[in-house]
Amino acid sequence: KQEVTQIPAALSVPEGENLVLNCSFTDSAIYNLQWFRQDPGKGLTSLLLIQSSQREQTSGRLNASLDKSSGRSTLYIAASQPGDSATYLCAVKEYGNKLVFGAGTILRVKS
Amino acid sequence: GAGVSQSPSNKVTEKGKDVELRCDPISGHTALYWYRQSLGQGLEFLIYFQGNSAPDKSGLPSDRFSAERTGGSVSTLTIQRTQQEDSAVYLCASRMKGQDPWGYTFGSGTRLTVV
Repeated sequence: KQEVTQIPAALSVPEGENLVLNCSFTDSAIYNLQWFRQDPGKGLTSLLLIQSSQREQTSGRLNASLDKSSGRSTLYIAASQPGDSATYLCAVKEYGNKLVFGAGTILRVKS
Repeated sequence: GAGVSQSPSNKVTEKGKDVELRCDPISGHTALYWYRQSLGQGLEFLIYFQGNSAPDKSGLPSDRFSAERTGGSVSTLTIQRTQQEDSAVYLCASRMKGQDPWGYTFGSGTRLTVV
């Protein structure tokens, strides 16, 4: 059974700092991996998607990497801003209908 | 509508009562998903509808849970004889089949509290 773990569970950083969020998964037979952002009381917003054949994806200040063989992904956020404060969720899509999510990292960027 | 709409946004119910949660997906989206998010845990897959195909119910935790999707649009998740462990946020998502996976659009969820 696929399990997704995110470390750390919570992170508080000063504005402007670069930071890394970690995601690990137990079964490397994945179709793709996605990073989502969740704001309080709102749904999920997809940030980046990495296909199983890819190593990384970039969008603005965000960069996500994937090491499928070791079951790891990282989300790098450059020059963090208070508006980046949210819960970040990692999810893997297996060959089927569902995404398997981690519990998330709660990020707080202090101004 | 412009997004996935879920109602109610909050629901408090007494243990043993039945509840119905509603999801209005984006018009034209053929795939619809229900997930459950318990405190401190990741989202847990419940059920998946795709067009007129038989739904994938593999994530439903017990036979107290059921869901239907009428006319390929609105979906209702029903929980019978609610228990305290059913307390969670129930999220609905929709997408167009064949669309890049980040075509998932999630609703804001229904926060269910069983007292």
